[in-house]
Amino acid sequence: EAQVTQNPRYLITVTGKKLTVTCSQNMNHEYMSWYRQDPGLGLRQIYYSMNVEVTDKGDVPEGYKVSRKEKRNFPLILESPSPNQTSLYFCASQREGAGVAKNIQYFGAGTRLSVL
Amino acid sequence: DAKTTQPPSMDCAEGRAANLPCNHSTISGNEYVYWYRQIHSQGPQYIIHGLKNNETNEMASLIITEDRKSSTLILPHATLRDTAVYYCIVSVPNAGGTSYGKLTFGQGTILTVHP
Repeated sequence: EAQVTQNPRYLITVTGKKLTVTCSQNMNHEYMSWYRQDPGLGLRQIYYSMNVEVTDKGDVPEGYKVSRKEKRNFPLILESPSPNQTSLYFCASQREGAGVAKNIQYFGAGTRLSVL
Repeated sequence: DAKTTQPPSMDCAEGRAANLPCNHSTISGNEYVYWYRQIHSQGPQYIIHGLKNNETNEMASLIITEDRKSSTLILPHATLRDTAVYYCIVSVPNAGGTSYGKLTFGQGTILTVHP
């Protein structure tokens, strides 16, 4: 089954304790992205990656890092989490290439993070 | 990307058609209309997209006006499981630079399907 898998689904941590949220897709998609969702602010893009070793900032990248060493994986790293990073996080992937419908993104189930 | 305007909420009776409007009066010629939905804190789910012709798939139909300034998503026989936030997004596929692949989600329409 085609899917985007995020882990963990729920995470409670404390300020300053480094954490990684993993994201993996099995559709061989080139493009992957991270969003956060907050009440009243909607979904905002954090980082995106157009392919292996190619990443760039989205709208709200401060406090986050990403890496794309393999095509299927796109982990989100919080080096020193703070309470304002408490949010619902979604990973998404998208296929590229001529003749393929564009901007059709497939989302993971989400990771709910609480930073105390 | 063009801005979209959607009603904040709508109700629909189960089994009836749900018609969700979206206004995108500043849409440009190469921008597509995409619809996604999000069921209570789950990941957004792609529904349908179109450029200027009406489109239909197994989930819904998309009607785009001739001037492309507005569109309507139609769920022909709404069920309780269709209760969700529906997002209308206008975007250029694979726009270059920082717009590459980014979907700009607004506040969407909360559709509540009643028994």
